[in-house]
Amino acid sequence: EAGVAQSPRYKIIEKRQSVAFWCNPISGHATLYWYQQILGQGPKLLIQFQNNGVVDDSQLPKDRFSAERLKGVDSTLKIQPAKLEDSAVYLCASSPSPTVLYNEQFFGPGTRLTVL
Amino acid sequence: GEDVEQSLFLSVREGDSSVINCTYTDSSSTYLYWYKQEPGAGLQLLTYIFSNMDMKQDQRLTVLLNKKDKHLSLRIADTQTGDSAIYFCAVGTGGGNKLTFGTGTQLKVEL
Repeated sequence: EAGVAQSPRYKIIEKRQSVAFWCNPISGHATLYWYQQILGQGPKLLIQFQNNGVVDDSQLPKDRFSAERLKGVDSTLKIQPAKLEDSAVYLCASSPSPTVLYNEQFFGPGTRLTVL
Repeated sequence: GEDVEQSLFLSVREGDSSVINCTYTDSSSTYLYWYKQEPGAGLQLLTYIFSNMDMKQDQRLTVLLNKKDKHLSLRIADTQTGDSAIYFCAVGTGGGNKLTFGTGTQLKVEL
């Protein structure tokens, strides 16, 4: 079974530029998550999708971050414009079904963003 | 919101046992998880425990949960150099779907 795919793996941009990340979850997984992991910290949930609807985006800085999952499969996360403090690893995860109590999340390798 | 704390660093000798500790604040947590992160890689689920359990053993891994003190620990028996990584405690709420991660503990295994 293929894992969660993310691209690009690395991205370097200057502040105020825009950037987009792509995630392809494990086939058949209904739920998709985007996390931000700043160096030295644990991952922080940015947004959670159930199929193509948003379940939780309470920690997404909506003035500059946006995310979509149009067909309920792959997803893009965009930052526009980027700030220095956005430098982090952006992790995508997917899980099979939200209807079961135990719902393991499978993580992709992440995209490391450096904002100069 | 949920707050999850871990010590930052642990160093052990190969063959010894490692114990990584975690404390959390939300008593409504359902499942509690331990993830491993190696350099340049995503997070890998090691093990988990349901909140109505006190202990779970899985080969070299033992998870202990003290709900009264909101304390979770991961014991790795016979620690090997391949166990060197960052270990994250994560607490699941909202039916287990929302995970709050700790700050991570970097485990270094020395020969």
